[in-house]
Amino acid sequence: GQNIDQPTEMTATEGAIVQINCTYQTSGFNGLFWYQQHAGEAPTFLSYNVLDGLEEKGRFSSFLSRSKGYSYLLLKELQMKDSASYLCAVRDEGTYKYIFGTGTRLKVLA
Amino acid sequence: GAGVSQSPSNKVTEKGKDVELRCDPISGHTALYWYRQRLGQGLEFLIYFQGNSAPDKSGLPSDRFSAERTGESVSTLTIQRTQQEDSAVYLCASSRSSVRLVNTEAFFGQGTRLTVV
Repeated sequence: GQNIDQPTEMTATEGAIVQINCTYQTSGFNGLFWYQQHAGEAPTFLSYNVLDGLEEKGRFSSFLSRSKGYSYLLLKELQMKDSASYLCAVRDEGTYKYIFGTGTRLKVLA
Repeated sequence: GAGVSQSPSNKVTEKGKDVELRCDPISGHTALYWYRQRLGQGLEFLIYFQGNSAPDKSGLPSDRFSAERTGESVSTLTIQRTQQEDSAVYLCASSRSSVRLVNTEAFFGQGTRLTVV
């Protein structure tokens, strides 16, 4: 079976750091992806992890632990425009399709 | 094309009618996905095409839903005898071959917002 869990909502303050967690149980694993989705818009790609460790891209970093079935997305120096939903997706090893979590709605307050 | 294109962007239909949604993937992308997103919810997998392989239809919610893809280009998602519960945004995404390459993120279209009245 495939199951991906994320918190439903988070709130943080402008300029702060926020960590969005994602846990997964899948029958096979071929990479974990994070997407950002602003209200009414399509998801856009943020980051990709296939090996354990931290991948850093500017203000955004993503971490993966395959043995724990765990990832997080770290957003630094939060800006108002970071208010969006953040979707964790796992690509299944056998089928290569992407399975998405329900997303975490992040609100950044001034 | 420059990005994934979906049409129409909005569709209002009467309950019981059939609708057809279209997706033009990025040129050269062999993998194509359809997802459904209800208001405030996550992405629900519907169907996945990879090259000439048989499509993965495991996410289609009922036999009223079907999808086709012409070679490695356009795809159409058809919903027959629409119901109010079908109201959602239908998102299409494409990526380079998922089988041969590892880092192949999916690129999404803007979606078709379907409203069944």
